[in-house]
Amino acid sequence: GNSVTQMEGPVTLSEEAFLTINCTYTATGYPSLFWYVQYPGEGLQLLLKATKADDKGSNKGFEATYRKETTSFHLEKGSVQVSDSAVYFCALRGSSNTGKLIFGQGTTLQVKP
Amino acid sequence: GAGVSQSPRYKVAKRGQDVALRCDPISGHVSLFWYQQALGQGPEFLTYFQNEAQLDKSGLPSDRFFAERPEGSVSTLKIQRTQQEDSAVYLCASSGLGGRLNEQFFGPGTRLTVL
Repeated sequence: GNSVTQMEGPVTLSEEAFLTINCTYTATGYPSLFWYVQYPGEGLQLLLKATKADDKGSNKGFEATYRKETTSFHLEKGSVQVSDSAVYFCALRGSSNTGKLIFGQGTTLQVKP
Repeated sequence: GAGVSQSPRYKVAKRGQDVALRCDPISGHVSLFWYQQALGQGPEFLTYFQNEAQLDKSGLPSDRFFAERPEGSVSTLKIQRTQQEDSAVYLCASSGLGGRLNEQFFGPGTRLTVL
């Protein structure tokens, strides 16, 4: 079945450091891929998405490229801020008609000043 | 309202009690999803509605879990005879047409603790 694997956290970085959070997936067909973010005390929010191979999703300085050949959707940011501290979830939506999301286990990012 | 709302935000139940969790989706959203998020884990799909029709309930962990959306708007997730393993955050999400192409907007969740 479909699944998503994320790198384990927590990830601790200094402000302005480069961020990579790895995400790989297993899916049949042509899934859509997402990154969601959960800030402390808040609900899940969509950060970015990509719906087909080689698409790049971007938002708030974050980017991720849909790589079908490596079944990956790694999240990157060139210079993190303290306000980026949150839990990040990689997710996929398969080819079924229901649109349900399958999430990875989440990666906690802590950015120190 | 402006977003998806859920109530109660926190619920403590004694083992064996029944609980009901409410979700108010964004007005006009056709699709509604329930997810269960255990501590330190990602959300896991429970069930999906399109309007009032429950089209997918493959994620419900047992027959103690029941969901409904009788008028195609508000939804209720009911858990009968709660067990400690039911302790989790229950998330509701809604989206526009079909749910396949549109963003899912999540509510703040209901944190259920079963003692």
